[in-house]
Amino acid sequence: DIVMTQSPDSLAVSLGERATINCKSSQSVLYFSNNKNHLAWYQQKPGQPPKLLINWASTRESGVPDRFSGSGSGTDFSLTISNLQAEDVAVYSCHQYYSIPNSFGQGTKLEI
Amino acid sequence: QVQLQESGPGLVKPSETLSLTCAVFNYSINNGYYWGWIRQPPGKGLEWIGSLYHTGKTYYNPSLKSRVTISVDTSKNQFSLELSSVSAADTAVYYCARQQSVGAPGAIDYWGQGPLVTVSS
Repeated sequence: DIVMTQSPDSLAVSLGERATINCKSSQSVLYFSNNKNHLAWYQQKPGQPPKLLINWASTRESGVPDRFSGSGSGTDFSLTISNLQAEDVAVYSCHQYYSIPNSFGQGTKLEI
Repeated sequence: QVQLQESGPGLVKPSETLSLTCAVFNYSINNGYYWGWIRQPPGKGLEWIGSLYHTGKTYYNPSLKSRVTISVDTSKNQFSLELSSVSAADTAVYYCARQQSVGAPGAIDYWGQGPLVTVSS
């Protein structure tokens, strides 16, 4: 099974500043046949289900502000939130769908 | 807009079977995608339980495989989860979800609201 490890567990950032969340997989999630990283990022606010922000490690979903960006390849990935807004307070999780079972990081709590 | 709605008991006794159903609105299960279940224990991270394709092909998390069955009823446009021999460790919010198809389950683009299911006598 692929283990996903996020860092840090929690993060406090000032309004307008930048937040970076890291996700490391125990093995590569770069799929040879399509040259894509099978990794997604989600945002989860209290009492709500997760929301898909980033697919294929760096492709922003429709309607997601361009303040959110994903990067990385292979085993090391990052989610960066620029110009932090109050509504960005949430838990962020990475998800690998390279292999079965799919697995998630433990989540990173972002606070202002 | 695709919508998913879970239904089922919020309280299950230890050793019994947890059963949930997910109704899908504004999209036909037969049109593709994977349809799955993810759970989240209180205050903890997400755990993938398993997914199925409309043809009935299923993928399960090996850690739960001996206790899990995911099935589909295309005539009702819904799919179901059964988890047998539950214990307190199975207490969690259970989400049904749509996973993109990448030849196997992919990113999750739609989620249900997720009921809390508590295992307690």
